[in-house]
This record gives sequence, structure tokens and C-alpha cells, in this order.
Amino acid sequence: KAGVTQTPRYLIKTRGQQVTLSCSPISGHRSVSWYQQTPGQGLQFLFEYFSETQRNKGNFPGRFSGRQFSNSRSEMNVSTLELGDSALYLCASSQDRYKTDTEAFFGQGTRLTVV
Amino acid sequence: AQTVTQSQPEMSVQEAETVTLSCTYDTSESDYYLFWYKQPPSRQMILVIRQEAYKQQNATENRFSVNFQKAAKSFSLKISDSQLGDAAMYFCAYRILIQGAQKLVFGQGTRLTINP
Repeated sequence: KAGVTQTPRYLIKTRGQQVTLSCSPISGHRSVSWYQQTPGQGLQFLFEYFSETQRNKGNFPGRFSGRQFSNSRSEMNVSTLELGDSALYLCASSQDRYKTDTEAFFGQGTRLTVV
Repeated sequence: AQTVTQSQPEMSVQEAETVTLSCTYDTSESDYYLFWYKQPPSRQMILVIRQEAYKQQNATENRFSVNFQKAAKSFSLKISDSQLGDAAMYFCAYRILIQGAQKLVFGQGTRLTINP
């Protein structure tokens, strides 16, 4: 079974631009969560998608958005990029969102650098 | 508050020895799971071990075990017979269902170095 695939692996963008990151979950997994990882703030929850609906969002501005498609693939978008958006963006998929014990499987992340 | 505190930013241990990484957490939720994740230089987060909050018995996975003290909200990871491949960032986390969504709350991580 293929793991969680995130594309692209690396991105360099200029301030003010927008960016779209993609995440393909493990086959059969319907929950996709996104996390931002920075040296200063650590790993922070961005949002979770399940059945094409955003279920919850972390404390991030409206510039951060996402969506999920019918095949469970998810994209996140960041508009009007700022230098502080430079981070590793991790996607995690899980099979069942209703149980806290469900294991989350992570992708290798997308390293976004804003210059 | 939903927080996880890992008080040791860095740890080092000699190969084949035992090391313990500490973690404390705070949550008002009653239903949660605790995890230790490992993040090697490849950046992919790998689950090391998990603990059900309602179980008193400490989880064990081969060389990895936890010391779970629920009242103290403490969840330390013990790595026995350390191997070079254990070198990585280790993150303590708990998972909750909040507002109908699942969420992992992570600590800041402990960088573990294995000395040959």
C-alpha cells in the first residue's frame, strides 16, 4: 500500500505570491490533516478534512485554506505569502476520524521557502 | 490549555545504552491517546509507540517503552539498547477529538544523538 504522498517536496516562492500544496492520503483513508512545522513554533495544527468538509481549523489566518476532493486527496493553499510562512508543511491521513486511537500516517512534507 | 512540554531540547546517549525522554502534557479532555513520533532527517514522522489514556498498563514496543503517569500528566519514553538508527527528533503528542475534528497536539521535540 502506498504511503501518504505530498507534492512538491520543495518550493521557493516570493512574498505576496500564492502557493498550493497537494496531499494524497493512503488508499481508503478519508481523514486528512495538515500541520505546519517551524523551528520556533514547532508543529501546529492547521486543519482537518473529512468527506470533503473542513472539520476544524487551527489558529491560522484566512490566507490559509484548503479543500478535499471526492477521492480524499487534499490541497492546501496559502495566499499573499509572508516570510513567516516558510515552514515544513506535513500532511497526515487516517482511516477513522471518530476514534482517538486511530494512527495518523504522515507524508514527507513540503518544504516551503518564502523569499 | 492544550499543551505538550518536552523539557529536553537535546539528549545524547552512547550506543547500546538506555535513554529516557520526558514529556508532560495538559488537556481537559477525558478521551485522548498519547503518542511518541520519531522524525529522522528524511522528515517523515514515524509512529514509535502509543498509549491509551484510560489504560494504566504502560505500552511497550520492542526496545521502546513508556512510563505513563496519568495523574501527573507525564508520558516519558525509554529507549533501551540504543542504536545509531534511533538518532532523530522525537515528538510527544496527544490526540483528541475536538469540535467534531481530530487533532494532534505536539511538543517541541527532543533531538536525540547516538554516540558510537
